[in-house]
Amino acid sequence: GDSVTQMEGPVTLSEEAFLTINCTYTATGYPSLFWYVQYPGEGLQLLLKATKADDKGSNKGFEATYRKETTSFHLEKGSVQVSDSAVYFCALSRNQAGTALIFGKGTTLSVSS
Amino acid sequence: GAGVSQSPSNKVTEKGKDVELRCDPISGHTALYWYRQSLGQGLEFLIYFQGNSAPDKSGLPSDRFSAERTGGSVSTLTIQRTQQEDSAVYLCASSLLEARTEAFFGQGTRLTVV
Repeated sequence: GDSVTQMEGPVTLSEEAFLTINCTYTATGYPSLFWYVQYPGEGLQLLLKATKADDKGSNKGFEATYRKETTSFHLEKGSVQVSDSAVYFCALSRNQAGTALIFGKGTTLSVSS
Repeated sequence: GAGVSQSPSNKVTEKGKDVELRCDPISGHTALYWYRQSLGQGLEFLIYFQGNSAPDKSGLPSDRFSAERTGGSVSTLTIQRTQQEDSAVYLCASSLLEARTEAFFGQGTRLTVV
């Protein structure tokens, strides 16, 4: 079945460091890919998405490129801030109405000043 | 409402009791999801309501768990004879039914079984 695998956390970085959180997927066909973020004490919210191969999603300085050849959607940010400390979830959805959103286990990012 | 609303926000119950968790989705969203978030376990899919079609119940962990969605809107997740391992945050999300659309999440219900 469809699945998403994320790198294990926690990831601990200093402010202004470069961030990569790896995400790979297994799915039938060509799914849409998403990164959701959960800030402390808040609900999950969409960070960015890409709906077809080679698309790049971006938001708040974060980027992720849909790589069909490596079935990956790695999240990157060039310079993290303390306010980026959160749990990040990679997710996929088949490009077909009526299919569930499947999430990875989440990666906790902690950024210190 | 403006967003997905879940109630209660916190629930403490005794082992063996039944609990009901409520989700009020965004108006017009025909897809509704329930997930369970446990420490170290990420987001576990439970059930998915997809418009007028039969729900995808493949994620329900046991027959103690059930959910219904009345009138295509409000959903209730029921856990019968609660166990301590049911303690978790239960998240509801809704979306348009079309593919490629994002899901909007509620704040969750934190369930503690003592």
